[in-house]
Amino acid sequence: EAGVTQFPSHSVIEKGQTVTLRCDPISGHDNLYWYRRVMGKEIKFLLHFVKESKQDESGMPNNRFLAERTGGTYSTLKVQPAELEDSGVYFCASSQAGVRGEQFFGPGTRLTVL
Amino acid sequence: QQQVKQSPQSLIVQKGGISIINCAYENTAFDYFPWYQQFPGKGPALLIAIRPDVSEKKEGRFTISFNKSAKQFSLHIMDSQPGDSATYFCAAQMDSSYKLIFGSGTRLLVRP
Repeated sequence: EAGVTQFPSHSVIEKGQTVTLRCDPISGHDNLYWYRRVMGKEIKFLLHFVKESKQDESGMPNNRFLAERTGGTYSTLKVQPAELEDSGVYFCASSQAGVRGEQFFGPGTRLTVL
Repeated sequence: QQQVKQSPQSLIVQKGGISIINCAYENTAFDYFPWYQQFPGKGPALLIAIRPDVSEKKEGRFTISFNKSAKQFSLHIMDSQPGDSATYFCAAQMDSSYKLIFGSGTRLLVRP
């Protein structure tokens, strides 16, 4: 069974540019999450999808971040325009419907904003 | 304000020794406490988890000790091996939510 995949693995952009991160969850997982780890700090929750609906977006830092999950499959996280403080590792995770326990994480996208 | 506080930030242990990582929380609504292990270039992976109705859970060389009254929980790695060298995150989840709230991580190095 394929795990959670994320693309790209690394992205380096200039301040003010736009970047789109993609996540493909484990097939059949209705729950999809985005998290972010800024250098050396805790992994912070950004938002949670159940299928195509946003269930909890309490962790989204501001309106420069836009997450979508088309058709309840893959998800994208767009940052527009990017700021220096957006640098970090963005993780996507997924879990089965109705399961509050284990979340399966992807390898992350390392975003560097210069 | 960090809801889950983790210590130490880094830890060096000799092969065969015991590694201990501690976490503390404030919110009594937390009802699920997992530990995740992350190797370089990989995402965090669930290692072991506990719910507050038990004080200890053991899986192989890994044990979670849970102290509900003190609002603390810890990970013990017995007979630590070089292959255990990784970053470890404690986390907590509230009974009304799916999101995980993580500690800041502990980088463990096990020397041969």
